[in-house]
Amino acid sequence: KQEVTQIPAALSVPEGENLVLNCSFTDSAIYNLQWFRQDPGKGLTSLLLIQSSQREQTSGRLNASLDKSSGRSTLYIAASQPGDSATYLCAVRPGNYGQNFVFGPGTRLSVLP
Amino acid sequence: DVKVTQSSRYLVKRTGEKVFLECVQDMDHENMFWYRQDPGLGLRLIYFSYDVKMKEKGDIPEGYSVSREKKERFSLILESASTNQTSMYLCASSSPLTVWYGYTFGSGTRLTVV
Repeated sequence: KQEVTQIPAALSVPEGENLVLNCSFTDSAIYNLQWFRQDPGKGLTSLLLIQSSQREQTSGRLNASLDKSSGRSTLYIAASQPGDSATYLCAVRPGNYGQNFVFGPGTRLSVLP
Repeated sequence: DVKVTQSSRYLVKRTGEKVFLECVQDMDHENMFWYRQDPGLGLRLIYFSYDVKMKEKGDIPEGYSVSREKKERFSLILESASTNQTSMYLCASSSPLTVWYGYTFGSGTRLTVV
């Protein structure tokens, strides 16, 4: 059964720092991986989706990488801002073409001004 | 802008009431999902649907039912609300027919059962 973990559970950084959030999954046979952002009391907003054949995806200050063989993905945030403060979740879709993503528990990020 | 819309942001209901949570998507997606999210427990799948009239149990279906009479609408029903169903409820949709094939979420419904 696919399991997804995220380390650290919480992270606090000063504004302007570059930072990396980690996502690990136990079964490397995945179809794709998606990173989400969640503000307190709100729904999930999609940030990036990486197909299993891709190594990375970029959107603005965000870069997500995927290493299927090691069961890892990282979300890199450049020049962090207080507005980046949120919980970041990763989710993987198993490679048996199952329809359902498996979610990690999230990393709660605080960017201090 | 495509979206998933949940009809209520906040709901307060009494124990024993029948509660309907509505979710509508305008992306012509085949798949729709209901999750609940609780501190320390993460996202847990309640029910999902791959097509109209179809439904499948997720990890925690007890105490819930669903209805999908139209492709764009997926309703979650709490037959007799209980306090342990106080939670954030999130609806999502996706389509296996697109390259994107990721999830789009609604803004969530915070349900409090008193």
